[in-house]
Amino acid sequence: QVQLVESGGGVVQPGRSLRLSCAASGFTFSTSAMHWVRHTPGKGLESVGVISPDGSNKYYADSAKGRFTISRDNSKNTLYLQMDGLRAEDTAVYYCARDPTDDYNDIDYWGQGTLVTVSS
Amino acid sequence: VVMTQSPLSLPVTLGQPASISCRSSQGLVHRDGNTYFIWFHQRPGQSPRRLIYRVSKRDSGVPDRFSGSGSGTDFTLKISRVEAEDVGVYYCMQGSHWPPTFGQGTKVEIK
Repeated sequence: QVQLVESGGGVVQPGRSLRLSCAASGFTFSTSAMHWVRHTPGKGLESVGVISPDGSNKYYADSAKGRFTISRDNSKNTLYLQMDGLRAEDTAVYYCARDPTDDYNDIDYWGQGTLVTVSS
Repeated sequence: VVMTQSPLSLPVTLGQPASISCRSSQGLVHRDGNTYFIWFHQRPGQSPRRLIYRVSKRDSGVPDRFSGSGSGTDFTLKISRVEAEDVGVYYCMQGSHWPPTFGQGTKVEIK
């Protein structure tokens, strides 16, 4: 069965960096686009960005542009989210999620999430 | 695209029907002709689970008491007879326009 397991969350000071990982199993990772979605107390569920199956295309929501970078290592079945210049408003549960479509239109499976708290 | 759900809180009686509405700020027909509108259910302490995709298609294992309908900018999730396991938060999501956007969530609880 499809499993997505996030890790790397924690408490970080404003302005610092953090890298999240998402280990995938139970499906052919290299043929699936993958999303990062976050859940904040104030804004609810919010897309962070998506990466194509081969990693050549990446699209970001406005809130992530210039600060966050999505990458993947298909040899390790792992998705990453590099977050730089973190702000208090980036405090959220971060989910990785699988996209079953060819054009980044849908999400069918979610990980359990990892909590990121940005605080001094 | 702004997704607006109503109601945000829905107390329900076991065995009775329930309905959640989601309205989008613009039409959701994708250039490929499909409407990428999805319903998720999130139980406390769990990650979201997809129930319905492309407006009305039920995911494998989803009970047939759940049904999705709608078109254009107005969409509805109906539960024909609420069961105890249906409590939690229901979210709508559109994937037709980048970036994907979500409704605020509707919290369903048993009266």
